[in-house]
Amino acid sequence: EAQVTQNPRYLITVTGKKLTVTCSQNMNHEYMSWYRQDPGLGLRQIYYSMNVEVTDKGDVPEGYKVSRKEKRNFPLILESPSPNQTSLYFCASTGGQGYGYTFGSGTRLTVV
Amino acid sequence: AQSVTQPDIHITVSEGASLELRCNYSYGATPYLFWYVQSPGQGLQLLLKYFSGDTLVQGIKGFEAEFKRSQSSFNLRKPSVHWSDAAEYFCAVGAGSYIPTFGRGTSLIVHP
Repeated sequence: EAQVTQNPRYLITVTGKKLTVTCSQNMNHEYMSWYRQDPGLGLRQIYYSMNVEVTDKGDVPEGYKVSRKEKRNFPLILESPSPNQTSLYFCASTGGQGYGYTFGSGTRLTVV
Repeated sequence: AQSVTQPDIHITVSEGASLELRCNYSYGATPYLFWYVQSPGQGLQLLLKYFSGDTLVQGIKGFEAEFKRSQSSFNLRKPSVHWSDAAEYFCAVGAGSYIPTFGRGTSLIVHP
């Protein structure tokens, strides 16, 4: 089944403790992206990647890092999480122009 | 810069009634336009997309949308709503499908 898999689905952590949210897609897509979803703000793009070793900032990149060492994986790294990063995070991938994104099921992160 | 406005935060309809969700965009050329649906606790699912050709686009789950360049709109419609359509709906616009800007979403409530 074609899908985007994120892990974990739920995570509670403490301020300052580094964490990684994994994302993997099995559709051989070149383009991948991370979004955060907050009430009343919709989805905001954090980072995106157009191919292996090619990443770029989205609208809200502060406090986040990404890497794209393999085509299928696009992890999101929070090196020093803070409470304002408490949010619902989505990874997504697309095969290119006009295809639309396939989204993962989301990761609900709480930073205390 | 591209932007999307979904004027209605909440829409309430009765089951069996028709539905129209509004979406207005700002973009310098003919954009790529998308509608996504998010059921509770789930990721986003692509309903339909437009980037050229016939301005009336058919999607999954019985939805359709019409691109009106003169009004910068891409409204989503369904002739008869089912209780299972209750969800959050997002309109998105982009120069390409991999860097879309999302609206803030419209929450659809369906009364029996």
